[in-house]
Amino acid sequence: GAGVSQSPSNKVTEKGKDVELRCDPISGHTALYWYRQSLGQGLEFLIYFQGNSAPDKSGLPSDRFSAERTGGSVSTLTIQRTQQEDSAVYLCASSRTGTTADTQYFGPGTRLTVL
Amino acid sequence: KQEVTQIPAALSVPEGENLVLNCSFTDSAIYNLQWFRQDPGKGLTSLLLIQSSQREQTSGRLNASLDKSSGRSTLYIAASQPGDSATYLCAVDLRTYKYIFGTGTRLKVLA
Repeated sequence: GAGVSQSPSNKVTEKGKDVELRCDPISGHTALYWYRQSLGQGLEFLIYFQGNSAPDKSGLPSDRFSAERTGGSVSTLTIQRTQQEDSAVYLCASSRTGTTADTQYFGPGTRLTVL
Repeated sequence: KQEVTQIPAALSVPEGENLVLNCSFTDSAIYNLQWFRQDPGKGLTSLLLIQSSQREQTSGRLNASLDKSSGRSTLYIAASQPGDSATYLCAVDLRTYKYIFGTGTRLKVLA
């Protein structure tokens, strides 16, 4: 398909374990975004990539969270030593150029549950 | 700090009604505002994007307006249908390549 894809769709893990969430943006999109949607909360910005670099990491909630993007395409969000408060739906989006007039296209999300 | 509020949090209407969803934001220095739709288990779908120089945008049965000075936007849905049932989110763009989202309005249109 031509849309943004994310894997896995669901992830259940035990507290203290590390998890990796993957995002495949739309081909040719240079900008990639990660958001988090917790139960009863709005979407919370985590990090923005332009190409392989991340000019804005301001939303990462703690140093347990990190993200990388390789080849200007696939991105991985890693959460180390997961905590129960990390349980949320993690959404990835991409846009063609990253300018503010660009529409962001969202993936279906990864639902993370930390037991 | 920019805060985005959506009212009502939930809305249930009979099919065919016209309805209005409200979004308010605290800082009028926005670059644009976007309305999204979110279906259960799916990502967000962009509905309408209004740039700061615009007052409204229309797409089919949807019309979104923007009043920056008062910090408000409304999404008008005409002749609602059961397929319109979803969560509607508004988001403001602060020129920093990230959106600040509201908590959404859960809409249910009854057949």
